[in-house]
Amino acid sequence: DAKTTQPPSMDCAEGRAANLPCNHSTISGNEYVYWYRQIHSQGPQYIIHGLKNNETNEMASLIITEDRKSSTLILPHATLRDTAVYYCTPRVLGNQFYFGTGTSLTVIP
Amino acid sequence: DAGVTQSPTHLIKTRGQQVTLRCSPKSGHDTVSWYQQALGQGPQFIFQYYEEEERQRGNFPDRFSGHQFPNYSSELNVNALLLGDSALYLCASSSGTGANYEQYFGPGTRLTVT
Repeated sequence: DAKTTQPPSMDCAEGRAANLPCNHSTISGNEYVYWYRQIHSQGPQYIIHGLKNNETNEMASLIITEDRKSSTLILPHATLRDTAVYYCTPRVLGNQFYFGTGTSLTVIP
Repeated sequence: DAGVTQSPTHLIKTRGQQVTLRCSPKSGHDTVSWYQQALGQGPQFIFQYYEEEERQRGNFPDRFSGHQFPNYSSELNVNALLLGDSALYLCASSSGTGANYEQYFGPGTRLTVT
């Protein structure tokens, strides 16, 4: 099974960019990398996903290294509402996700 | 457009009892997956339903079973409840079973077993 490694916690100043790293060195060639976040034990919220190209949407940017062994989620201008647990998870063709314990991001005023 | 909905929101059961949780997928979605999230942990995959059949299953005992109806809604059943079954149960839906489809989660059902 593909595994991911994320720092347990990070702080970011409000208005600054938050860069959340994820190591997925055992990811397979056909596994997409998905990012979700979870606030106060609500259901996880989809953020972004990618296979090997960098991706950007209205919420965030995803940078995937060329060897696909790691990725970085970038929140360009963090707000207090971005305080949450962020999960990086590979997704196999069978559609299931493998969530780890994620990174608890705290945005500081 | 309603997202993924789950019922009930909270539930308290006694050891040995049985419980049924319900999920309605996002409009246009035909695939439903169930996850268990213990306190302080990430969600753990239980199983996935597509075309009314169980397609994938995680490392959970047979006490955990499910069903998908023709309207794509789904139920999760847990028999012979244990204290360790206390968790947030999440339902997620997507369109199809490919790896390039966004999967949307519901708000979850908080199950407490006493």
